[in-house]
Amino acid sequence: RKEVEQDPGPFNVPEGATVAFNCTYSNSASQSFFWYRQDCRKEPKLLMSVYSSGNEDGRFTAQLNRASQYISLLIRDSKLSDSATYLCVVAMNTGFQKLVFGTGTRLLVSP
Amino acid sequence: NAGVTQTPKFQVLKTGQSMTLQCAQDMNHNSMYWYRQDPGMGLRLIYYSASEGTTDKGEVPNGYNVSRLNKREFSLRLESAAPSQTSVYFCASNPGEGATRRAAQHFGDGTRLSIL
Repeated sequence: RKEVEQDPGPFNVPEGATVAFNCTYSNSASQSFFWYRQDCRKEPKLLMSVYSSGNEDGRFTAQLNRASQYISLLIRDSKLSDSATYLCVVAMNTGFQKLVFGTGTRLLVSP
Repeated sequence: NAGVTQTPKFQVLKTGQSMTLQCAQDMNHNSMYWYRQDPGMGLRLIYYSASEGTTDKGEVPNGYNVSRLNKREFSLRLESAAPSQTSVYFCASNPGEGATRRAAQHFGDGTRLSIL
């Protein structure tokens, strides 16, 4: 079983749609959680950290359920520029920050 | 504001050749990391440097060596390149101390390496 699992997609949605991605992780001792965005052949860029109480940044909302070891990302009012691969990332922070990456969920937003 | 800078951006090598990938950050971060990304797999940690003067193996260190030259620079060396090392390599950094150890990592824009 992979440590971080994501549906690879692609998710094809029209502009303006709401789309949700899910991610599960296997290590219950994981301490920090992130969503990164990666455009084709580019570096991962931090989209948002995920906090236990859930957090929102504009059109993006992230939720964390530690009991179920589940992380979600909701994108409202999708834009063409949201087309990318979204990486679910979990971290252990003991001595150094060990990141474990999911393989990503691809989103395609069409006009 | 450059952030994390990697050189070169692209490289083609022949099997058995050696080369060094360079990485520098200007954010005064303590911790630096080298990853590789292959199709269908998540990024995997090759080596990391939790602080200046220290380096440690990650998940896939075989065939690589690293040097933390100073606080800013962290290089990755392939001593004898193999086709299995064809990949995209990313360098990253984060503050790495105390509470900021939890801060997200910032990535360079990658080196695309092909080994024939």
